[in-house]
Amino acid sequence: AQKITQTQPGMFVQEKEAVTLDCTYDTSDPSYGLFWYKQPSSGEMIFLIYQGSYDQQNATEGRYSLNFQKARKSANLVISASQLGDSAMYFCAMRSLKAAGNKLTFGGGTRVLVKP
Amino acid sequence: DVKVTQSSRYLVKRTGEKVFLECVQDMDHENMFWYRQDPGLGLRLIYFSYDVKMKEKGDIPEGYSVSREKKERFSLILESASTNQTSMYLCASSLNRGNPKSTNEKLFFGSGTQLSVL
Repeated sequence: AQKITQTQPGMFVQEKEAVTLDCTYDTSDPSYGLFWYKQPSSGEMIFLIYQGSYDQQNATEGRYSLNFQKARKSANLVISASQLGDSAMYFCAMRSLKAAGNKLTFGGGTRVLVKP
Repeated sequence: DVKVTQSSRYLVKRTGEKVFLECVQDMDHENMFWYRQDPGLGLRLIYFSYDVKMKEKGDIPEGYSVSREKKERFSLILESASTNQTSMYLCASSLNRGNPKSTNEKLFFGSGTQLSVL
């Protein structure tokens, strides 16, 4: 069975500073993908970044980067130069190749509040 | 722009009522999903569908059913609503590229329906 764990229920970060959101996962499938989504107060889930288990380099998308440590089964999200608009819930998710129908398994989420 | 639309943003129902949550996507996606979101538990999969008239149970299907008569529409049904079904419900869709080696197909989500069962 797949499992995603986000150990930080909430955190504060100062505007313009970097923040790291933790995510660990568990799967027996050697082929899988890891996703991060952002959910602002409006409720819609916004895709941020993707990392494949066989990707050689860590994924980056603008101010978002994924610190992928395969041996540790961790996929931490790093947000650089935080902005007030980064205040939101952040979810880590995983899909294994064996998962039917492209379904994602999600972690419990981390709430980030950016302080001016 | 791609769009997943959920019919209601907020819904209040009484215990025992039959409740329909509707979701429509305009991206011609094969796969559609219903998740519920609860504080501390993240998103949990209720049901999903990878084709018209096809459905698969997710991790927490008890008390729910679904219907997919048309490709663009996926309905979640609470046969007899109970207070423990008070939650945020999120619909999502994705392409099914048919590549068995692909894990990167992302989900597109609607804005959610906050359901309160009194």
